[in-house]
Amino acid sequence: DVKVTQSSRYLVKRTGEKVFLECVQDMDHENMFWYRQDPGLGLRLIYFSYDVKMKEKGDIPEGYSVSREKKERFSLILESASTNQTSMYLCAGRKGSHNEQFFGPGTRLTVL
Amino acid sequence: GQNIDQPTEMTATEGAIVQINCTYQTSGFNGLFWYQQHAGEAPTFLSYNVLDGLEEKGRFSSFLSRSKGYSYLLLKELQMKDSASYLCAVYHSGYSTLTFGKGTMLLVSP
Repeated sequence: DVKVTQSSRYLVKRTGEKVFLECVQDMDHENMFWYRQDPGLGLRLIYFSYDVKMKEKGDIPEGYSVSREKKERFSLILESASTNQTSMYLCAGRKGSHNEQFFGPGTRLTVL
Repeated sequence: GQNIDQPTEMTATEGAIVQINCTYQTSGFNGLFWYQQHAGEAPTFLSYNVLDGLEEKGRFSSFLSRSKGYSYLLLKELQMKDSASYLCAVYHSGYSTLTFGKGTMLLVSP
């Protein structure tokens, strides 16, 4: 079975804190993705990576950065968390030969 | 720009058939996905259509018309566990990204 795991299911942080969301996949996925999901807005792509140390902006990258130092790990960083970043964050992986994306369980982040 | 439309909510009765429509206007179209997402859980893959026509997989079928920018997901013999959100997503060539619709919340009642 494909496994994409995320470091936390629930996270509460304060405004201005630096926040790290970690995602790990065990299926040798080349491509990895970070989305946020909000009621009425659906899933929106923040950043993605198609190889180690490579990153590309998605549709809503402002306020976020990413890091991919190893193939299996893709981190989303909120440099200075703000209340409008309260959301469900979903990580996904995709193998180059397949088009399907496999999602992690999600991290519900609340910024106070 | 990208525009993907699907109904916000639908209701249906156990044992019935329901069709969830998705229309899209997008560049770089390379296929269309349907995902199912139960409340509080991750989206899971249901189907992928690249060519025009109907793909059947058990109780679920998905249809694509590329010329019309239209797809639908057909669920037969509905069960209570089918109550979930159904996400339509366009697959783009190039970087192989997905653009999702806002999702359709399906409520199946007894």
